[in-house]
Amino acid sequence: KNQVEQSPQSLIILEGKNCTLQCNYTVSPFSNLRWYKQDTGRGPVSLTIMTFSENTKSNGRYTATLDADTKQSSLHITASQLSDSASYICVVSAYGSGGGADGLTFGKGTHLIIQP
Amino acid sequence: GAGVSQSPRYKVAKRGQDVALRCDPISGHVSLFWYQQALGQGPEFLTYFQNEAQLDKSGLPSDRFFAERPEGSVSTLKIQRTQQEDSAVYLCASSLGTAGISYNSPLHFGNGTRLTVT
Repeated sequence: KNQVEQSPQSLIILEGKNCTLQCNYTVSPFSNLRWYKQDTGRGPVSLTIMTFSENTKSNGRYTATLDADTKQSSLHITASQLSDSASYICVVSAYGSGGGADGLTFGKGTHLIIQP
Repeated sequence: GAGVSQSPRYKVAKRGQDVALRCDPISGHVSLFWYQQALGQGPEFLTYFQNEAQLDKSGLPSDRFFAERPEGSVSTLKIQRTQQEDSAVYLCASSLGTAGISYNSPLHFGNGTRLTVT
């Protein structure tokens, strides 16, 4: 069964500090991996996407990495801001499975709190 | 608007009542998904439409849950005889292509309907 595990479950850091969120997956055949940001009371919004051939992808202060051999991804946030407080969800897409239950596997998310 | 719109934003239902949740996807988007999100958890797949065809409904938790997209645009998720365990946020998402294989076709989520069953 395809699975996505995220750690830590929650994280509290001070404004201005950096942090790294982890995502481990067992999804086959792998197509791509996305990180989503979900603000409280809102729907998730895509931050980055990577395929197996991409090792790193940046979006402003967000940098995602992917190691397709170990099936691990990380999301690094630099110089955190109060607006970064949100849940970050890792979503892995399986190739050829369309959009159904086997097509996209969601992690449970990491709940990040930035304190002033 | 340019985004996915869901209504109502909040719904309180008494146990046993029927509810209907609406999703207006982005115009032209082929794929439409419904997810259930419990507090502090990631979204859980419910069902998937490609145009008007419901290709996967394996995530619907019981036969009390029913979804339709009759004209390949607006979708409705109906829950009959609601139970307390149905309390959750129901998210709708749409994408331009078939999400499982498309690199350039992210999911665009609505802000969800928070259902509370009392």
